[in-house]
Amino acid sequence: NAGVMQNPRHLVRRRGQEARLRCSPMKGHSHVYWYRQLPEEGLKFMVYLQKENIIDESGMPKERFSAEFPKEGPSILRIQQVVRGDSAAYFCASSPTTGEQGNEQFFGPGTRLTVL
Amino acid sequence: DQQVKQNSPSLSVQEGRISILNCDYTNSMFDYFLWYKKYPAEGPTFLISISSIKDKNEDGRFTVFLNKSAKHLSLHIVPSQPGDSAVYFCAAMDAGGTSYGKLTFGQGTILTVHP
Repeated sequence: NAGVMQNPRHLVRRRGQEARLRCSPMKGHSHVYWYRQLPEEGLKFMVYLQKENIIDESGMPKERFSAEFPKEGPSILRIQQVVRGDSAAYFCASSPTTGEQGNEQFFGPGTRLTVL
Repeated sequence: DQQVKQNSPSLSVQEGRISILNCDYTNSMFDYFLWYKKYPAEGPTFLISISSIKDKNEDGRFTVFLNKSAKHLSLHIVPSQPGDSAVYFCAAMDAGGTSYGKLTFGQGTILTVHP
């Protein structure tokens, strides 16, 4: 059973470009979460999605950031017009549908975004 | 507003001894707690969790204790092994509320286990 998959693992962008980060949840998981880790800090929640629905986006910056989890395909975190402050590790996690086990989130390896 | 705090940035222990990692929280709505281990350049790995209806949960060498009145939890690793050296994150969730799914993480504690 493959774990959470993220790609690319490393992404370099120049200021003003767009960054697209992809996440495929574990098989059987329909809940996806995105977190960001800035240097020397803990992980910060960004957004929680289910298929075709955004459940909680309270951690998303108001501008330039968007996320989706379409019916088919991976979840995408999109950052438009990147700035140097967007440089961070972005982690995706997934969880099963119901029950207490749904509280346990399993993380992917992360995408390290560097903005030049 | 740091709702989950790990006040020890680092901890060093000898192989075979007990490692105790601490975590405090301020939000009384949190009712589910998790510990993750993280190696450099990898994602966090789930270790163990505890619901607020319990005060202890054990899984092999790992035990998590929860003191709700003190809003404090701890992770005990016995015996500690060099392979346990990593960053440990405490996380909390309001599992029964509208913020379900949102994990709030502490800043992490770097554990070093010396042979």
